Amino acid sequence: AAGVIQSPRHLIKEKRETATLKCYPIPRHDTVYWYQQGPGQDPQFLISFYEKMQSDKGSIPDRFSAQQFSDYHSELNMSSLELGDSALYFCASSLGQGWDLGTDTQYFGPGTRLTVL
Amino acid sequence: SQQGEEDPQALSIQEGENATMNCSYKTSINNLQWYRQNSGRGLVHLILIRSNEREKHSGRLRVTLDTSKKSSSLLITASRAADTASYFCATAQGGSEKLVFGKGTKLTVNP
Repeated sequence: AAGVIQSPRHLIKEKRETATLKCYPIPRHDTVYWYQQGPGQDPQFLISFYEKMQSDKGSIPDRFSAQQFSDYHSELNMSSLELGDSALYFCASSLGQGWDLGTDTQYFGPGTRLTVL
Repeated sequence: SQQGEEDPQALSIQEGENATMNCSYKTSINNLQWYRQNSGRGLVHLILIRSNEREKHSGRLRVTLDTSKKSSSLLITASRAADTASYFCATAQGGSEKLVFGKGTKLTVNP
Protein backbone atom coordinates (compact mmCIF):
# COMPACT_ATOMS: atom_id res chain seq x y z
CA ALA A 1 0.00 0.00 0.00
CA ALA A 2 1.12 3.53 -0.74
CA GLY A 3 2.59 5.43 2.18
CA VAL A 4 3.42 9.02 2.95
CA ILE A 5 6.43 10.18 0.97
CA GLN A 6 8.80 12.82 2.23
CA SER A 7 11.68 14.43 0.44
CA PRO A 8 14.47 14.88 0.88
CA ARG A 9 15.25 12.24 3.47
CA HIS A 10 18.35 14.06 4.64
CA LEU A 11 19.25 17.72 4.38
CA ILE A 12 22.28 19.63 5.58
CA LYS A 13 22.16 23.41 5.70
CA GLU A 14 24.20 26.25 7.10
CA LYS A 15 22.88 28.74 9.63
CA ARG A 16 20.71 31.47 8.13
CA GLU A 17 20.00 29.41 5.01
CA THR A 18 16.56 28.31 3.89
CA ALA A 19 15.15 24.82 3.48
CA THR A 20 12.06 23.37 1.83
CA LEU A 21 10.66 20.02 2.90
CA LYS A 22 8.09 18.22 0.81
CA CYS A 23 5.36 15.81 1.75
CA TYR A 24 3.18 13.67 -0.47
CA PRO A 25 0.24 12.22 1.45
CA ILE A 26 -1.34 8.85 0.96
CA PRO A 27 -3.63 8.99 -2.11
CA ARG A 28 -7.11 10.34 -1.27
CA HIS A 29 -5.94 11.68 2.08
CA ASP A 30 -6.91 15.32 2.33
CA THR A 31 -5.30 16.28 5.64
CA VAL A 32 -1.60 16.80 6.19
CA TYR A 33 0.22 17.40 9.47
CA TRP A 34 3.78 18.47 10.17
CA TYR A 35 5.67 17.47 13.31
CA GLN A 36 9.16 18.26 14.57
CA GLN A 37 11.13 15.81 16.69
CA GLY A 38 14.32 17.04 18.31
CA PRO A 39 17.04 14.62 19.43
CA GLY A 40 15.70 12.44 22.23
CA GLN A 41 12.41 14.33 22.24
CA ASP A 42 8.83 13.41 21.47
CA PRO A 43 7.29 14.74 18.26
CA GLN A 44 5.80 18.22 18.50
CA PHE A 45 2.96 19.36 16.28
CA LEU A 46 3.76 22.27 13.99
CA ILE A 47 0.88 22.84 11.60
CA SER A 48 -1.84 21.04 9.67
CA PHE A 49 -3.89 21.53 6.52
CA TYR A 50 -7.28 20.23 5.51
CA GLU A 51 -8.43 20.64 1.93
CA LYS A 52 -5.61 23.12 1.26
CA MET A 53 -6.56 25.38 4.15
CA GLN A 54 -4.63 25.68 7.38
CA SER A 55 -6.64 23.79 9.97
CA ASP A 56 -4.52 23.98 13.09
CA LYS A 57 -1.31 25.56 14.26
CA GLY A 58 1.08 24.53 16.98
CA SER A 59 4.47 25.70 18.09
CA ILE A 60 5.70 26.70 14.66
CA PRO A 61 8.21 29.55 14.55
CA ASP A 62 7.38 32.61 12.47
CA ARG A 63 10.41 31.74 10.33
CA PHE A 64 8.56 28.68 9.12
CA SER A 65 5.66 28.62 6.70
CA ALA A 66 3.77 25.85 5.03
CA GLN A 67 1.08 25.28 2.48
CA GLN A 68 -0.90 22.51 0.87
CA PHE A 69 -1.28 22.50 -2.88
CA SER A 70 -4.11 21.50 -5.18
CA ASP A 71 -2.70 17.96 -5.50
CA TYR A 72 -2.70 17.77 -1.66
CA HIS A 73 1.05 17.64 -1.33
CA SER A 74 2.49 20.00 1.23
CA GLU A 75 5.69 21.97 1.64
CA LEU A 76 7.28 23.26 4.80
CA ASN A 77 9.49 26.28 4.19
CA MET A 78 12.06 27.17 6.79
CA SER A 79 14.07 30.38 6.63
CA SER A 80 16.90 31.89 8.67
CA LEU A 81 17.79 28.43 9.91
CA GLU A 82 19.17 28.12 13.41
CA LEU A 83 21.19 25.35 15.02
CA GLY A 84 18.16 24.47 17.13
CA ASP A 85 16.16 23.67 14.01
CA SER A 86 18.16 20.48 13.58
CA ALA A 87 15.59 17.75 14.00
CA LEU A 88 13.55 15.06 12.32
CA TYR A 89 10.58 16.57 10.51
CA PHE A 90 7.66 14.26 10.01
CA CYS A 91 4.69 14.64 7.78
CA ALA A 92 1.55 12.65 8.44
CA SER A 93 -1.66 12.33 6.50
CA SER A 94 -5.17 11.24 7.27
CA LEU A 95 -8.55 11.05 5.66
CA GLY A 96 -9.88 13.91 7.73
CA GLN A 97 -13.45 15.01 7.38
CA GLY A 98 -13.30 18.22 9.24
CA TRP A 99 -11.92 19.65 12.40
CA ASP A 100 -14.73 18.37 14.55
CA LEU A 101 -14.08 14.69 13.98
CA GLY A 102 -10.55 14.18 15.12
CA THR A 103 -10.89 10.46 14.99
CA ASP A 104 -8.85 9.42 12.01
CA THR A 105 -5.58 7.59 12.11
CA GLN A 106 -2.57 9.63 11.12
CA TYR A 107 -0.02 7.80 8.99
CA PHE A 108 3.49 9.12 9.22
CA GLY A 109 6.14 9.42 6.58
CA PRO A 110 9.77 8.34 7.15
CA GLY A 111 10.78 11.87 8.05
CA THR A 112 13.35 14.36 6.82
CA ARG A 113 16.44 14.69 8.97
CA LEU A 114 17.55 18.30 8.89
CA THR A 115 21.01 19.17 10.16
CA VAL A 116 21.92 22.84 10.54
CA LEU A 117 25.64 23.52 10.81
CA SER B 1 2.35 19.23 32.74
CA GLN B 2 2.92 17.29 29.55
CA GLN B 3 -0.10 15.62 27.97
CA GLY B 4 0.47 11.93 27.46
CA GLU B 5 3.02 11.02 30.08
CA GLU B 6 4.35 7.53 29.68
CA ASP B 7 5.48 5.05 32.23
CA PRO B 8 7.96 3.52 32.47
CA GLN B 9 10.48 5.64 30.58
CA ALA B 10 12.55 2.54 29.88
CA LEU B 11 11.76 -1.15 30.05
CA SER B 12 14.08 -4.10 29.55
CA ILE B 13 12.70 -7.63 29.30
CA GLN B 14 13.62 -11.05 27.97
CA GLU B 15 12.28 -12.43 24.73
CA GLY B 16 8.99 -14.23 25.30
CA GLU B 17 7.95 -12.04 28.22
CA ASN B 18 5.10 -9.58 28.09
CA ALA B 19 5.71 -5.83 28.07
CA THR B 20 3.27 -3.34 29.51
CA MET B 21 3.51 0.38 28.94
CA ASN B 22 1.21 2.97 30.44
CA CYS B 23 0.14 6.40 29.30
CA SER B 24 -1.69 9.09 31.21
CA TYR B 25 -3.22 12.25 29.85
CA LYS B 26 -4.89 15.29 31.30
CA THR B 27 -7.65 16.57 29.02
CA SER B 28 -10.62 14.92 27.35
CA ILE B 29 -9.72 13.15 24.15
CA ASN B 30 -11.30 11.97 20.93
CA ASN B 31 -8.94 9.07 20.54
CA LEU B 32 -5.62 7.75 21.71
CA GLN B 33 -3.08 6.26 19.35
CA TRP B 34 0.03 4.22 19.97
CA TYR B 35 3.06 4.53 17.73
CA ARG B 36 6.35 2.73 17.53
CA GLN B 37 9.64 4.26 16.51
CA ASN B 38 12.92 2.53 15.87
CA SER B 39 15.91 4.67 16.73
CA GLY B 40 15.87 7.85 14.65
CA ARG B 41 13.37 6.44 12.19
CA GLY B 42 9.76 7.05 11.25
CA LEU B 43 6.72 6.60 13.41
CA VAL B 44 4.71 3.48 12.73
CA HIS B 45 1.07 3.52 13.69
CA LEU B 46 0.17 0.54 15.86
CA ILE B 47 -3.38 0.99 17.04
CA LEU B 48 -6.06 3.62 17.61
CA ILE B 49 -8.62 3.40 20.38
CA ARG B 50 -11.56 5.77 20.44
CA SER B 51 -12.83 7.49 23.55
CA ASN B 52 -15.92 5.26 23.66
CA GLU B 53 -13.89 2.04 23.49
CA ARG B 54 -12.35 0.27 26.45
CA GLU B 55 -10.18 -2.39 24.89
CA LYS B 56 -8.78 -3.24 21.50
CA HIS B 57 -6.61 -6.04 20.13
CA SER B 58 -4.34 -6.27 17.15
CA GLY B 59 -2.17 -9.34 16.85
CA ARG B 60 0.11 -9.43 19.89
CA LEU B 61 -0.99 -5.97 20.92
CA ARG B 62 -3.69 -5.22 23.46
CA VAL B 63 -4.66 -1.66 24.31
CA THR B 64 -6.95 -0.55 27.09
CA LEU B 65 -8.41 2.86 27.71
CA ASP B 66 -9.85 4.12 30.99
CA THR B 67 -11.29 7.57 30.39
CA SER B 68 -12.28 7.95 34.05
CA LYS B 69 -8.63 7.63 35.03
CA LYS B 70 -7.39 9.30 31.83
CA SER B 71 -5.01 6.45 31.19
CA SER B 72 -4.21 3.82 28.62
CA SER B 73 -2.00 0.78 28.55
CA LEU B 74 -0.27 -1.06 25.74
CA LEU B 75 0.50 -4.72 26.26
CA ILE B 76 2.81 -6.58 23.92
CA THR B 77 2.59 -10.31 24.48
CA ALA B 78 5.30 -12.87 23.75
CA SER B 79 7.81 -10.15 22.97
CA ARG B 80 10.52 -10.56 20.37
CA ALA B 81 13.91 -8.92 19.96
CA ALA B 82 12.44 -7.12 16.93
CA ASP B 83 9.99 -5.34 19.24
CA THR B 84 12.89 -3.28 20.59
CA ALA B 85 11.90 0.33 19.92
CA SER B 86 10.42 3.42 21.52
CA TYR B 87 6.67 3.42 21.98
CA PHE B 88 4.69 6.64 22.09
CA CYS B 89 1.11 7.32 22.97
CA ALA B 90 -0.54 10.29 21.28
CA THR B 91 -3.87 11.90 21.94
CA ALA B 92 -6.21 13.86 19.74
CA GLN B 93 -8.13 16.34 21.84
CA GLY B 94 -11.58 17.74 21.31
CA GLY B 95 -11.89 20.19 18.43
CA SER B 96 -8.48 19.39 17.01
CA GLU B 97 -6.94 16.59 15.03
CA LYS B 98 -3.37 17.42 15.98
CA LEU B 99 -1.66 14.75 18.02
CA VAL B 100 -0.03 15.45 21.35
CA PHE B 101 2.67 12.91 22.03
CA GLY B 102 3.96 11.55 25.30
CA LYS B 103 7.65 11.21 26.08
CA GLY B 104 7.71 7.57 25.08
CA THR B 105 8.81 4.30 26.60
CA LYS B 106 12.05 2.80 25.38
CA LEU B 107 11.58 -0.95 25.23
CA THR B 108 14.52 -3.32 24.97
CA VAL B 109 13.81 -6.99 24.37
CA ASN B 110 16.85 -9.14 25.05
CA PRO B 111 17.24 -12.32 23.01
